[in-house]
Amino acid sequence: SQTIHQWPATLVQPVGSPLSLECTVEGTSNPNLYWYRQAAGRGLQLLFYSVGIGQISSEVPQNLSASRPQDRQFILSSKKLLLSDSGFYLCAWSVPSGRNEQFFGPGTRLTVL
Amino acid sequence: GENVEQHPSTLSVQEGDSAVIKCTYSDSASNYFPWYKQELGKRPQLIIDIRSNVGEKKDQRIAVTLNKTAKHFSLHITETQPEDSAVYFCAATGGSYIPTFGRGTSLIVHP
Repeated sequence: SQTIHQWPATLVQPVGSPLSLECTVEGTSNPNLYWYRQAAGRGLQLLFYSVGIGQISSEVPQNLSASRPQDRQFILSSKKLLLSDSGFYLCAWSVPSGRNEQFFGPGTRLTVL
Repeated sequence: GENVEQHPSTLSVQEGDSAVIKCTYSDSASNYFPWYKQELGKRPQLIIDIRSNVGEKKDQRIAVTLNKTAKHFSLHITETQPEDSAVYFCAATGGSYIPTFGRGTSLIVHP
């Protein structure tokens, strides 16, 4: 069966510090991968998605970046965090063909102070 | 691109009542419509979905209806229970294969 992992689960970082969040998927090949951010009490904002290694599409301009160094690994990064980067970050995967269910990871709660 | 509107943003019901959440979409090419439930502090999880070749789908106390002509779909929960309290998101997936989510509905079921 397929599983999706995210770490860390929680993170408290000072403004201006770097960020690296990691997501890995097991039990499937060539998944579509997604990064979402959810501010407190708000909806799901799509940040990045990837259909293959090295292929990243950005949905919103920001100080975040994403990389996919391996087929089932998706990394979200920032060189300098802003207060507005605080939120609940969710990684998700879906099968590569067609329109199908997304499977979400457990999330990382990031607080920028 | 696709635009999904979801209403209401908050829904408060008494245990045992029915709850209905409605979504509209703009892209006529969309053909997959999932509903996710997100409990506080947890990940969203799929509870039911429907494809455009079907008008209605049921799974025990939950059902989804789709009106392609009007471009709207709805989630129906009958005999609500306190454990149904959560945020519910609708989504529509069109030609880009990337889902567009609604803004969410916070459902509160009072015992």
